[in-house]
Amino acid sequence: NAGVMQNPRHLVRRRGQEARLRCSPMKGHSHVYWYRQLPEEGLKFMVYLQKENIIDESGMPKERFSAEFPKEGPSILRIQQVVRGDSAAYFCASSRQGKSQETQYFGPGTRLLVL
Amino acid sequence: AQSVTQPDIHITVSEGASLELRCNYSYGATPYLFWYVQSPGQGLQLLLKYFSGDTLVQGIKGFEAEFKRSQSSFNLRKPSVHWSDAAEYFCAVGAKNNAGNMLTFGGGTRLMVKP
Repeated sequence: NAGVMQNPRHLVRRRGQEARLRCSPMKGHSHVYWYRQLPEEGLKFMVYLQKENIIDESGMPKERFSAEFPKEGPSILRIQQVVRGDSAAYFCASSRQGKSQETQYFGPGTRLLVL
Repeated sequence: AQSVTQPDIHITVSEGASLELRCNYSYGATPYLFWYVQSPGQGLQLLLKYFSGDTLVQGIKGFEAEFKRSQSSFNLRKPSVHWSDAAEYFCAVGAKNNAGNMLTFGGGTRLMVKP
């Protein structure tokens, strides 16, 4: 009974490169949320997606960041031209129906380090 | 917009002692409230949640939390702490009727347990 899976667990990029973070939700879940945790801070919401739809991207930086959740395959958070300030832990969560009272189940996170 | 404050960044308690972690929220109505725990290098695990009804909520690992509307608080308690409880604890609020379904997290409280 696999939980939310994220890969890679650790990712090192040089400034200007692209980072691709993948998230596979729990079985039966079709709603995915991405959060970012900067060092010594709490998690901050970035984006909420359903299959093939972005529902709320109010927490996404306006440039360089994008997310998708295709019909088949994992959700992808893409960061173009990374900068040192992008270094953080990126967590994905999933829920079954997307209702606000539902529990969001979190993955182990991807720790991105930008050199 | 909702917000969450965890006033204590670090707390140290002796093993076997009681624990209370504070959480205050700001929201216009009764929110959905959550406590998550994060072990080093890991994702977040749900300890307990409050939606409605009984204001004292029981969770996993012997934790409980009490919703106090008058104080806008949702403090986490445990009567006797174990060394394995050392971790970071996050309080979060989810808004009802929020199309985004995002969780808003506090900054976290890092718990250290002395032998």
